[in-house]
Amino acid sequence: EPEVTQTPSHQVTQMGQEVILRCVPISNHLYFYWYRQILGQKVEFLVSFYNNEISEKSEIFDDQFSVERPDGSNFTLKIRSTKLEDSAMYFCASTRDLSQPQHFGDGTRLSIL
Amino acid sequence: ILNVEQSPQSLHVQEGDSTNFTCSFPSSNFYALHWYRWETAKSPEALFVMTLNGDEKKKGRISATLNTKEGYSYLYIKGSQPEDSATYLCAFYPGGSYIPTFGRGTSLIVHP
Repeated sequence: EPEVTQTPSHQVTQMGQEVILRCVPISNHLYFYWYRQILGQKVEFLVSFYNNEISEKSEIFDDQFSVERPDGSNFTLKIRSTKLEDSAMYFCASTRDLSQPQHFGDGTRLSIL
Repeated sequence: ILNVEQSPQSLHVQEGDSTNFTCSFPSSNFYALHWYRWETAKSPEALFVMTLNGDEKKKGRISATLNTKEGYSYLYIKGSQPEDSATYLCAFYPGGSYIPTFGRGTSLIVHP
């Protein structure tokens, strides 16, 4: 069964550096999402992407964040000038249509030092 | 901010016990509710998509019901097994949005 894959599984970065988290959604899916989960807290929506543009974003998704689908397969989340509070699990998800559940990747654990 | 609550937060049961837990959500403006099973060190796996009031879905020993008028969904596990140990997440979609609000999850531990 096709899967959503995320790389790296764990990223350790110095505060102030930029990170790029990568996701390969399932190939015939059309809607893509990024979520994060800070340790001990709820899964939080960051951004959704459809038809090569952001369709919705949360208040967390400020100018520090950006997403791209550079080549039709990868879906990346860039975090500029990372802060300690950006440490979290970041999950990518995709779905073919909105009546179907989302398929999640295994997540990237981001640790900011 | 939508209020999606799950209870209990955690649950310990013995193998063979049946159990259930709750997801509550705003009863107005309902579109869909999804249930996910999330094992440690894995990604959330979809269990059920529930859209109609009175929906009952079943997958093996796991079933779910939906009451949109009062704003809750129950997840039932019959004859729990150790491999059922996981966090069970619900995700609520309000009408006009395809952005889910997740509950905190119910952590289930089944002791052999």
